[in-house]
Amino acid sequence: EIVMTQSPLSLPVTPGEPASISCRSSRSLLHNNGYNYLYWFLQKPGQSPQLLIFLGSNRASGVPDRFSGSGSGTDFTLKISRVEAEDVGVYYCMQGLQSPWTFGQGTKVEVK
Amino acid sequence: QVQLVQSGVEVKKPGASVKVSCKASGYTFTNYDLTWVRQAPGQGLEWVGWISPDDDDTVYPQKLQGRVTMTADTSTTTGYMELRSLRSDDTAVYYCARVRSEWIIDYWGQGTLVIVSS
Repeated sequence: EIVMTQSPLSLPVTPGEPASISCRSSRSLLHNNGYNYLYWFLQKPGQSPQLLIFLGSNRASGVPDRFSGSGSGTDFTLKISRVEAEDVGVYYCMQGLQSPWTFGQGTKVEVK
Repeated sequence: QVQLVQSGVEVKKPGASVKVSCKASGYTFTNYDLTWVRQAPGQGLEWVGWISPDDDDTVYPQKLQGRVTMTADTSTTTGYMELRSLRSDDTAVYYCARVRSEWIIDYWGQGTLVIVSS
């Protein structure tokens, strides 16, 4: 199975400052159709996960433009241009290229 | 609006079975797939499987093959996830979620806590 590795696992942030999370996969997520089957989710405290980014770099509907996804192949990054207090929670990357779909360990983002 | 409403808390003994439901509304049920993801207490997310309500095609991870069955009732627009031979490490919140093209998981249910304890 494809192993997803996130870093860091804990990220203290200052509101208004940028933040970045890395996600690496054990094999390329780039399909020959040109899509990277990499997704980012945020699970806020006590809530279900919510989709932030799909296919590597596309923001989901309603997601603020301070969130951006980049990368291709095996290396991906989620960036928050200016962190807000409501962005706290655990961020997960997930691959959908191959069964079983697998998630990263999660990165806990908390305000300093 | 799209909604996925799941059944309530379940408490089961080891070796028993559980069947969790996921009532979908606000969209055409057979035009989207359903997936199930679980989260053990204080842990990360684990994929449990996928079903196409249109043709009942399913995919399960090898780890759960033989113990998990997903079904979909198009007359009631409800998906089901049954897990058999429960063990203590099956204790988790089980989420259903809608899947659209290119395996995009765009809407999630509220989760169902399944507790396996003697």
